[in-house]
Formats: sequence, C-alpha cells, structure tokens
Amino acid sequence: GESVGLHLPTLSVQEGDNSIINCAYSNSASDYFIWYKQESGKGPQFIIDIRSNMDKRQGQRVTVLLNKTVKHLSLQIAATQPGDSAVYFCAESLHGSSNTGKLIFGQGTTLQVKP
Amino acid sequence: ETGVTQTPRHLVMGMTNKKSLKCEQHLGHNAMYWYKQSAKKPLELMFVYNFKEQTENNSVPSRFSPECPNSSHLFLHLHTLQPEDSALYLCASSQERLGSGANVLTFGAGSRLTVL
Repeated sequence: GESVGLHLPTLSVQEGDNSIINCAYSNSASDYFIWYKQESGKGPQFIIDIRSNMDKRQGQRVTVLLNKTVKHLSLQIAATQPGDSAVYFCAESLHGSSNTGKLIFGQGTTLQVKP
Repeated sequence: ETGVTQTPRHLVMGMTNKKSLKCEQHLGHNAMYWYKQSAKKPLELMFVYNFKEQTENNSVPSRFSPECPNSSHLFLHLHTLQPEDSALYLCASSQERLGSGANVLTFGAGSRLTVL
C-alpha cells in the first residue's frame, strides 16, 4: 500500500551547516509533494511544494528535490539556523485526488540545530 | 497568525462531558478540514468540507461530530470521548479550484485535548 516515510526520526546539525531531510514514498502515481514545518506549540506551516513534472524547486534557503525513479523526496536547508529547529513533514497527493485533504503525511523528522 | 484560528488551545474533559472545538479562517478559502495529530503517528485526516458540504468522513467514530455552518467556520463537537482520543486536533483550510489538483493547506495552531 501507499506509505510516506522519513528516513530518520531525528537529525542533529550544527548551526550554519546544511541540512538534508529525506522522505520516501511508495506510490509512483503520486503527482504532488509538499513539505511542512511544525514548531513546538504551533500547527504545521507550509515550506515548499513540488509537482511531479519537476525534479527540483528552490525557495528561500530551501530546496526540494524529487527523484521519481527511486520515489525519493528531500528537503535541503542551507545555512541552518536555530529557528529551523522543528519537526518536518513530507506529504504526497495521489494522482486523481480532487481534494487537498487526500494528502498522505509522513511521521516527521525532528531537526535539532546545535549552536 | 496563519489566518486560521482555533479555540480553545487547551481542553481537558471527562469521558462523560460534551465540549466543542472551534475553527475560524480569515483567508476566504472554500474548504476546511479537521486532522488528528497523535504522538509518533502521522497526521490523520478526519473530515473535509467543501463549500460547507461534507465531502470526506475518514471512518471517524460518531463521538466526533463536525459542523460547518459557513465557509469560514468549522466546529468539532465532542461527546463521550475515550482517553485514547487525547491528541492535538488541527484545523486547516484551502482554496480548492476544480481541476487544479492539490493545493496548499493552511493550518491553525491546534487544540490540545486531554480526556481523563
């Protein structure tokens, strides 16, 4: 069945280093992927999304890479800052879904930034 | 600050109580959602409303009863809950356009529910 999973539950990085958070998905028919960040005491906040007709998309300090061959998604954060400490979720949307609520979320990776 | 406001932020209730969670969105979106977030589990979709009409009920027990009086307000009525229902309940909204596929969800900060 479909599943969206993150490779590591916790990632610890030094402030200023680059962070890479990975996500695997199993449904090759998924056509939309999204990353959310959830800080303590807050709801998930949109970071960046990508559609399956792209393999890379860049935002401010963040880059999402999509490898459809191996069904892998990654979020790269440049020059990681203490404010980046949070839980990061990837989610996929199944092809043909007419409603955003069909997003399937992964369990999340906790990013800890060491000063 | 996200444009989706949830109240109360924290709620403690007994198993025989009746309470409600409220969500209001100021974004002009036409779809609203309830998600359940439990520790060490992925976000679970509970209910979806498009243009005030319920379009998704993800096999949620009847002790959870949603209400959507208009496109800006969403309620989750709670009665005779169980301790395992303790979780963070997240409301979200989105602007759905026919044929455009998935769109970004904007979440509220959540209501932390504890059932004793």
